[in-house]
Amino acid sequence: SAVISQKPSRDICQRGTSLTIQCQVDSQVTMMFWYRQQPGQSLTLIATANQGSEATYESGFVIDKFPISRPNLTFSTLTVSNMSPEDSSIYLCSVEKVRGAGGTQYFGPGTRLTVL
Amino acid sequence: DQQVKQNSPSLSVQEGRISILNCDYTNSMFDYFLWYKKYPAEGPTFLISISSIKDKNEDGRFTVFLNKSAKHLSLHIVPSQPGDSAVYFCAATRGAAGNKLTFGGGTRVLVKP
Repeated sequence: SAVISQKPSRDICQRGTSLTIQCQVDSQVTMMFWYRQQPGQSLTLIATANQGSEATYESGFVIDKFPISRPNLTFSTLTVSNMSPEDSSIYLCSVEKVRGAGGTQYFGPGTRLTVL
Repeated sequence: DQQVKQNSPSLSVQEGRISILNCDYTNSMFDYFLWYKKYPAEGPTFLISISSIKDKNEDGRFTVFLNKSAKHLSLHIVPSQPGDSAVYFCAATRGAAGNKLTFGGGTRVLVKP
């Protein structure tokens, strides 16, 4: 598996502001992902953080709203920009380790964001 | 379009008995399936996975069964323990690696002592 940490663990923010979430892994990984879990919902992929190139965003998510950095193979950040109450969610990063027939993703502890 | 579904939002089981969690998928391109457990205020924890070339995979108290023709998988937990009380997500992906996981809606399991 992998040891993954996220900062901050939680935050309460005012609408219109931005928050940057950090994800640190204890070993080099090729694939890092950012997910969102809205209240009472399942996990939805926001984007794949690619090292050395722009992130790949899923339908419904755009770079202006969720800019991502991936400066090296152990670290990534996700920024939630110009926040509104609808952005209140748990944000999770994950990394992939290839196991046997498929890639298994391991998740960080999450960042619980509340936007007022 | 919900490609992975967990139709039971909750499950209650007595300690020591079997917990059976079900998951259905619609995308026939999925070929790798995973189960995660999630406690409140924590990230999901990987439990067990199965490739589409198998129909069963076992790891300790956890067994996953895959029925490709029915596009159905299930997770069996035997025996259930109070510490198993959590939300369980199934997830599916296609390709060997580097592809996104598509998650089901989750099943909340309560194991009663």
